Amino acid sequence: EDKVVQSPLSLVVHEGDTVTLNCSYEVTNFRSLLWYKQEKKAPTFLFMLTSSGIEKKSGRLSSILDKKELFSILNITATQTGDSAIYLCAVVIYNQGGKLIFGQGTELSVKP
Amino acid sequence: EPEVTQTPSHQVTQMGQEVILRCVPISNHLYFYWYRQILGQKVEFLVSFYNNEISEKSEIFDDQFSVERPDGSNFTLKIRSTKLEDSAMYFCASTWAASTDTQYFGPGTRLTVL
Repeated sequence: EDKVVQSPLSLVVHEGDTVTLNCSYEVTNFRSLLWYKQEKKAPTFLFMLTSSGIEKKSGRLSSILDKKELFSILNITATQTGDSAIYLCAVVIYNQGGKLIFGQGTELSVKP
Repeated sequence: EPEVTQTPSHQVTQMGQEVILRCVPISNHLYFYWYRQILGQKVEFLVSFYNNEISEKSEIFDDQFSVERPDGSNFTLKIRSTKLEDSAMYFCASTWAASTDTQYFGPGTRLTVL
């Protein structure tokens, strides 16, 4: 059965801290891995990772994929209270209509 | 920036009633999806739709569920006879190219079945 596991499930940090969120997966027909940020409702897109070892960066956020060890990390540096959200990792399954398999999410709380 | 929209934002219904959840995907997208998220649980795939037919569906998507693209813009999810366990947030998503492009999500419809 296809599986995506995120850790930790929740995390409380203070503004300015750096955090690392983890996502491991065991799926057949892996195509790519996506990170989303979920605040109130809709998941909003952060990164799509398809190739191993290539870091994607957007401001204070960055992410990398390791296809040999089957995991990805999402780093957030100099955290701000606005980073408080649930971060979702999802794997795109090839040849199954592009369906996404989601992890449970990591709930990040950034305290002032 | 184009976005996926969904209506209504919240729907309350009685068990056994039919509901239709509506989505307007991003206009040039070709692949459409429904996901659901029961409170406190993972986002789960329900169904994918391309070229006016279902391309993949999960075990959750049984005979009580159906999807339709009735015109060039709307994408609907119908639940024929709602059960208590159908209470969840339902997200619509769309993408230009399945498997190779990002899926963009709508804001969701919270369905409450009483």
